[in-house]
Amino acid sequence: DVKVTQSSRYLVKRTGEKVFLECVQDMDHENMFWYRQDPGLGLRLIYFSYDVKMKEKGDIPEGYSVSREKKERFSLILESASTNQTSMYLCASTLGLIGDGYTFGSGTRLTVV
Amino acid sequence: GQQVMQIPQYQHVQEGEDFTTYCNSSTTLSNIQWYKQRPGGHPVFLIQLVKSGEVKKQKRLTFQFGEAKKNSSLHITATQTTDVGTYFCAGLGRTSGTYKYIFGTGTRLKVLA
Repeated sequence: DVKVTQSSRYLVKRTGEKVFLECVQDMDHENMFWYRQDPGLGLRLIYFSYDVKMKEKGDIPEGYSVSREKKERFSLILESASTNQTSMYLCASTLGLIGDGYTFGSGTRLTVV
Repeated sequence: GQQVMQIPQYQHVQEGEDFTTYCNSSTTLSNIQWYKQRPGGHPVFLIQLVKSGEVKKQKRLTFQFGEAKKNSSLHITATQTTDVGTYFCAGLGRTSGTYKYIFGTGTRLKVLA
C-alpha cells in the first residue's frame, strides 16, 4: 500500500512564525497535492506538483508556498502564519494526474495563536 | 469557476435505513471519484466513474454517474454503524487548460444504532 506520511499530527504556532509542513510518499508517485479542510468548506486545493521542482497554484495559494526538491517529498510553507490559517492540512499523492485515486496522509491539524 | 455541490450536508439515519448523497457540478465532468473519511481520519478513495450513465456497486454501496456527466450519487443500502463518516465526491474538470479535481463539500453521515 502507498503510504503518505505527514510529519506532524498536531502543531501549534504563533502568528508571524514561518511554518513548514512536510509530506513524504513512498510509491514513486509523480503528483502531490496540498489541501486544507475546513468545516462546511470541504477540501480546497492550495498547491500541487506534477514533477520535481514543478508546482502549480491551486484555488487558495495566497499566504502559502511549496517546495518539491525530491520526488517523494512535498513541503508546504506558511511564510508568516496567521490565525485564519488554522486548519487541517492534508497531503495527497497520485500516480496519474487523471484517473487515479488520491492517497491522503493522516493530516496535520495546525493551530495558529 | 467550476463548483461541485453536495447535498445533504448532514444526514442522520437509523441503522438499517438507506442513505443517499448527491453531487452536482456546474460544468461537465471528465470523471468523478468518491471518498470516505471516517471521524478523525483522512479521506480514503472508494471508486471512480468515467462513462455517462455508469453504475458501479461495492457491496451495499451503489455509485451512479449522470447521463450528462454533471451529477453523481452514492447510495448505501441498509446502513451499518461502520458506514459513519463523511462522504466526498471529487469531479475532474478542466480550468484554464489544466485538469483538476474539485472536491464537494461532503455529506456527514451519522448512523444511530
